[in-house]
Amino acid sequence: NAGVTQTPKFRVLKTGQSMTLLCAQDMNHEYMYWYRQDPGMGLRLIHYSVGEGTTAKGEVPDGYNVSRLKKQNFLLGLESAAPSQTSVYFCASSMGLAAYNEQFFGPGTRLTVL
Amino acid sequence: DQQVKQNSPSLSVQEGRISILNCDYTNSMFDYFLWYKKYPAEGPTFLISISSIKDKNEDGRFTVFLNKSAKHLSLHIVPSQPGDSAVYFCAAGFQKLVFGTGTRLLVSP
Repeated sequence: NAGVTQTPKFRVLKTGQSMTLLCAQDMNHEYMYWYRQDPGMGLRLIHYSVGEGTTAKGEVPDGYNVSRLKKQNFLLGLESAAPSQTSVYFCASSMGLAAYNEQFFGPGTRLTVL
Repeated sequence: DQQVKQNSPSLSVQEGRISILNCDYTNSMFDYFLWYKKYPAEGPTFLISISSIKDKNEDGRFTVFLNKSAKHLSLHIVPSQPGDSAVYFCAAGFQKLVFGTGTRLLVSP
């Protein structure tokens, strides 16, 4: 039981390049989330999904796209990376959307955009 | 507009003493509050939570207090241990969670 895994762990991009971050969970959770963590800003929600085939915008969605083609996977895409997207990205999953449902986090992806 | 605030970026405590981490929120719709703990190079992990219908929840060395009228919650760790050194995030919400900026706790032997 691996929980929530993220690929890759580290990545360096040049401005304008694209990439996809992969999140996988093996807990059969319906809900999945992408957060970014920046110094002094805490964790901010980028996009989330309430089930296979559905996605919704979070607090800071601009510059990102997501897809949930399979229940266990949630992909975060950067079409044209910018230095402002340098951050640590965390994926999480939960059984339900209500706040009392514990969110389980992956180990994070550290992305640097030059 | 920061709906959940942790005004202390860092806290240093000696082993065996009490650690008190504070968190303030502005949205009166929030009905559930959580604390997450994060070690370097790892994702946050759930620590303890409290519903808005309670004012205290205890789990071993960790106690969370909620003061709804002041829109304030706190996490008490007694006694503090060096292994408690980590970043602590408070979070609040009724559906999607809103996280605070985190407090880095250092417990020295």
